[in-house]
Amino acid sequence: SQQGEEDPQALSIQEGENATMNCSYKTSINNLQWYRQNSGRGLVHLILIRSNEREKHSGRLRVTLDTSKKSSSLLITASRAADTASYFCATAHQETSGSRLTFGEGTQLTVNP
Amino acid sequence: KAGVTQTPRYLIKTRGQQVTLSCSPISGHRSVSWYQQTPGQGLQFLFEYFSETQRNKGNFPGRFSGRQFSNSRSEMNVSTLELGDSALYLCASSRHDRGLGGYTFGSGTRLTVV
Repeated sequence: SQQGEEDPQALSIQEGENATMNCSYKTSINNLQWYRQNSGRGLVHLILIRSNEREKHSGRLRVTLDTSKKSSSLLITASRAADTASYFCATAHQETSGSRLTFGEGTQLTVNP
Repeated sequence: KAGVTQTPRYLIKTRGQQVTLSCSPISGHRSVSWYQQTPGQGLQFLFEYFSETQRNKGNFPGRFSGRQFSNSRSEMNVSTLELGDSALYLCASSRHDRGLGGYTFGSGTRLTVV
């Protein structure tokens, strides 16, 4: 079952605008990761934020993490048509044996030229 | 360097058959995980292998199995296929142990069961 919930489920914006996606999760985590998926292809790792970090930047991406609220947000600034994709948050849990990613349901982002 | 390679890309099988999917991780990555993606259930964890040992398993029936070889390549097998097994199967590798880093995913194998 999915641990996380993402909102919105779908987001449509114009090129140049900013896009914000939110993710909530239920249990304690080791880190939280964001991935992008283009049209049923493989997932591309975008950014990882550790549980002791609050904010992280990578190019046009900004991720925040609030462990007290068990939530994270992904901001894409100055969006481009090429950013059109599904975006997933995934929480990493360090278990007694091994590890796993638990994915949210994803946000479908459409950037209109 | 080469990414995660999954073969085949597409597969059509009949109910009751079995199927084997292959994954070659990035060189040097010893952790390999498998995920199933369907429209209804989203992305679900299947298993994780590290140094030829299955360390973690998701909530899937015993028809789903896998293994990892000494060169870190991994295979997953699904026996007695059901229509509901139609999905995109994704393999991911990581150079980090125990989920401490990001994963690199392959392009997936699209399995259709008819």
